[in-house]
Amino acid sequence: GENVEQHPSTLSVQEGDSAVIKCTYSDSASNYFPWYKQELGKGPQLIIDIRSNVGEKKDQRIAVTLNKTAKHFSLHITETQPEDSAVYFCAASRAAMEYGNKLVFGAGTILRVKS
Amino acid sequence: DAGVTQSPTHLIKTRGQHVTLRCSPISGHKSVSWYQQVLGQGPQFIFQYYEKEERGRGNFPDRFSARQFPNYSSELNVNALLLGDSALYLCASSVGLIGSGANVLTFGAGSRLTVL
Repeated sequence: GENVEQHPSTLSVQEGDSAVIKCTYSDSASNYFPWYKQELGKGPQLIIDIRSNVGEKKDQRIAVTLNKTAKHFSLHITETQPEDSAVYFCAASRAAMEYGNKLVFGAGTILRVKS
Repeated sequence: DAGVTQSPTHLIKTRGQHVTLRCSPISGHKSVSWYQQVLGQGPQFIFQYYEKEERGRGNFPDRFSARQFPNYSSELNVNALLLGDSALYLCASSVGLIGSGANVLTFGAGSRLTVL
């Protein structure tokens, strides 16, 4: 079945450093890849997403890259700040009517930014 | 604008009981999806409803059911609760199909269910 693997499970960085989280997906028909940030006691919040016709997308300090051939996608956070500390989830989806809005999530990465 | 609202926020049930969780989508959103998040794991897809019809179902037993009302709000029902049903139940809404244009999935804060 569909599967998304996410690494690392925990990541500690110094404030100002960069953080990289990597995901691999199994369903080659996946065409939509969102990243969510979840803080304690809250639901996941979308921070950036990318579609299969794009190789890279950037939004201020956050960027996502996609390699469809290798079925890899990554989240890059530059100039990390303490408020970036949270759990980050990658997800993959076949965005097509017959599959509904099913996102397959990775297991999450706990990011700690030390000040 | 109000986001996705879920109720109740926390509840405790005993094995064998039944639970109903409720969700109100963002105004204008016609699709509601339900996810189960066990502690320490990523959310798992349970159901999606769009225009009051079931459009997707995850790998969950028939004890789980849902419906969507004419105002696009939704209920998730779980019968014969098991200890393993303890989790955060997340509702998410979208205008329609995700991945097309600016159509994205927005999550609520969830309902935390504890089964004793």
